[in-house]
Amino acid sequence: GAGVSQSPSNKVTEKGKDVELRCDPISGHTALYWYRQSLGQGLEFLIYFQGNSAPDKSGLPSDRFSAERTGGSVSTLTIQRTQQEDSAVYLCASSSTGNQPQHFGDGTRLSIL
Amino acid sequence: QKEVEQNSGPLSVPEGAIASLNCTYSDRGSQSFFWYRQYSGKSPELIMFIYSNGDKEDGRFTAQLNKASQYVSLLIRDSQPSDSATYLCAVTSGGSNYKLTFGKGTLLTVNP
Repeated sequence: GAGVSQSPSNKVTEKGKDVELRCDPISGHTALYWYRQSLGQGLEFLIYFQGNSAPDKSGLPSDRFSAERTGGSVSTLTIQRTQQEDSAVYLCASSSTGNQPQHFGDGTRLSIL
Repeated sequence: QKEVEQNSGPLSVPEGAIASLNCTYSDRGSQSFFWYRQYSGKSPELIMFIYSNGDKEDGRFTAQLNKASQYVSLLIRDSQPSDSATYLCAVTSGGSNYKLTFGKGTLLTVNP
């Protein structure tokens, strides 16, 4: 596809469960980003990948959050032992390189019961 | 804490008018500035970016940047009802050229 693809589009899970969110960036884009958008909050930066490396993980809110990227393409954001405050829309973006405009996917709406 | 401030609105303009959206930022080191449009329930869509002081025009949109005043704005000419959305200002911050700090957005309503 032409754009950033995220799956699932919606995820409902019980508190304490682990979840995995997937992002497939625009083909050829080496930079990939994860953001979170909560009700009443702006978009918050979580992590930045350049290729398979994550030089900036400063936005991950706790050690329950981790992310990886393989083959310089698909990325997975994992949240372990989910809490209700993790409920948000998780947005992935990509750009051709790290200093270029970022294009967002449609997001994953995560709801923790 | 590096901040990006926007008037939350709603900003209401009649169809055909000019909509003016404003944004201020606190990080003097910010280098790149972006405007995203976000329809309700949808993801942000990039509509403009600007790196240098002055104006940048693209169709009905003009972005204006004044680094000395730490101010960036977006003008939408000939506003259409389809422009009704939340407009997010984003700036690179934290000494990086990739990490975006977003404002909370301004809700624009264009009335037919």
